[in-house]
Amino acid sequence: AQSVAQPEDQVNVAEGNPLTVKCTYSVSGNPYLFWYVQYPNRGLQFLLKYITGDNLVKGSYGFEAEFNKSQTSFHLKKPSALVSDSALYFCAVRVTLRDDKIIFGKGTRLHILP
Amino acid sequence: DGGITQSPKYLFRKEGQNVTLSCEQNLNHDAMYWYRQDPGQGLRLIYYSQIVNDFQKGDIAEGYSVSREKKESFPLTVTSAQKNPTAFYLCASSNGGSFYSNQPQHFGDGTRLSIL
Repeated sequence: AQSVAQPEDQVNVAEGNPLTVKCTYSVSGNPYLFWYVQYPNRGLQFLLKYITGDNLVKGSYGFEAEFNKSQTSFHLKKPSALVSDSALYFCAVRVTLRDDKIIFGKGTRLHILP
Repeated sequence: DGGITQSPKYLFRKEGQNVTLSCEQNLNHDAMYWYRQDPGQGLRLIYYSQIVNDFQKGDIAEGYSVSREKKESFPLTVTSAQKNPTAFYLCASSNGGSFYSNQPQHFGDGTRLSIL
C-alpha cells in the first residue's frame, strides 16, 4: 500500500539552529514528493517538490529537501531556523495509477524557540 | 489573483441538518478535492473529482456527498448521516491526470464546522 510517514509529531529547535523534519514513503514506481506548510486556521501552502533529477531540492522561504531513494526518505531542512517558521508541516506523495490523488503524512508541528 | 475560495469560514450544524460547504476555484484546474482535517490525524480524503460531472469516493466518504456540475465549483454536503462532523474542511485543486502529476495542489483557507 502507498503510504507516507512523518515519525515525529513535534520538533523543537532554537532560533538560528538548523532544522530537519523527517519524512519516509512507500510507493510503487517513482514517487512525486511534496512538502506543504500550514499556519493556524489557513490552508496548506506548497513549499517544494521532488520529481526527478538533483536529489537536493530548494523551495520557498529558504527550505530545502533531500531525496534519498535507498532510504525512501524526503527530509525537509533549513540551515537557520526563524521563529516565523513555527507551523505544521506535511509531507505528501502523489499516486497516479488508476486514480490521481495525493497521500499526506499526519503532519509535524515545528516549534522554533526564540 | 487566481485561487480557491471556501465559504463560509465558520459553520454550525444542528442535529439532523444537512449543510453545504462551498468551494470555488478560478485556476482552470481539472481536478478538485475535499479533505477533512482533525488534530493529530493529518488530512483525510473525502471525495475527489478529476473532471466535470464525475467524482470518486475517497477514504472517508460516508455521510458526505458532492457534485461537480461546473469546472470551477465542487460543493460538499455534510449530511445528517455524518455523526461526527466537527472538523476543519479543506478544498484543493490541481491539474489532474498523470500528465500533470508533478504539479502541487492548491488549497483554500478552509471551513471550520461545529455542532450546535
